[in-house]
Amino acid sequence: AQTVTQSQPEMSVQEAETVTLSCTYDTSESDYYLFWYKQPPSRQMILVIRQEAYKQQNATENRFSVNFQKAAKSFSLKISDSQLGDAAMYFCAYRSSGQNFVFGPGTRLSVLP
Amino acid sequence: DGGITQSPKYLFRKEGQNVTLSCEQNLNHDAMYWYRQDPGQGLRLIYYSQIVNDFQKGDIAEGYSVSREKKESFPLTVTSAQKNPTAFYLCASSINRGTAGLRALFFGSGTQLSVL
Repeated sequence: AQTVTQSQPEMSVQEAETVTLSCTYDTSESDYYLFWYKQPPSRQMILVIRQEAYKQQNATENRFSVNFQKAAKSFSLKISDSQLGDAAMYFCAYRSSGQNFVFGPGTRLSVLP
Repeated sequence: DGGITQSPKYLFRKEGQNVTLSCEQNLNHDAMYWYRQDPGQGLRLIYYSQIVNDFQKGDIAEGYSVSREKKESFPLTVTSAQKNPTAFYLCASSINRGTAGLRALFFGSGTQLSVL
């Protein structure tokens, strides 16, 4: 069974600085999709960024970017110019074709003013 | 606007009572899901449905039931058999084809269920 690991239960970053959240996954599939979700205190789950495994180019969405290392099964999220509104739980998620989503345990990010 | 609507936002259950959480989507998504989230924890899959009139158990289905009579609707009933129902419940939907952007999960705003 696929698993997703987030080894950092908590992280903190100074406002305007850059932070990287780690995610590794275990799979024998070659075709799959990876996602980062943000859950702020409102508890609404918000899609931050997504990546198809067949694409070598790393996805970017404004201040959010990923470092996708397929061979290492690693999918880290980099947040640049951190803002107070970035404080949230961040969940890494995996999905292969025809299968359900597998979520990591989450990383709680604090942004310090 | 397209989206997923969960109601109510807060729900209270008495001992021995069944309660139903509503989830409606107008995204024309094929698949719908129910997740449970306990404080400070991740998401655990309760039930999911890929097509109308069909659904499968997730990892923690005991004490819960669902129906999928319409593509747009996937209500979750928390039965009296669920002895520890206090949690935050999230409904989500996705399509099962296309690029990653299309296959992503999109979530409702959740229902907080508490036991009186």
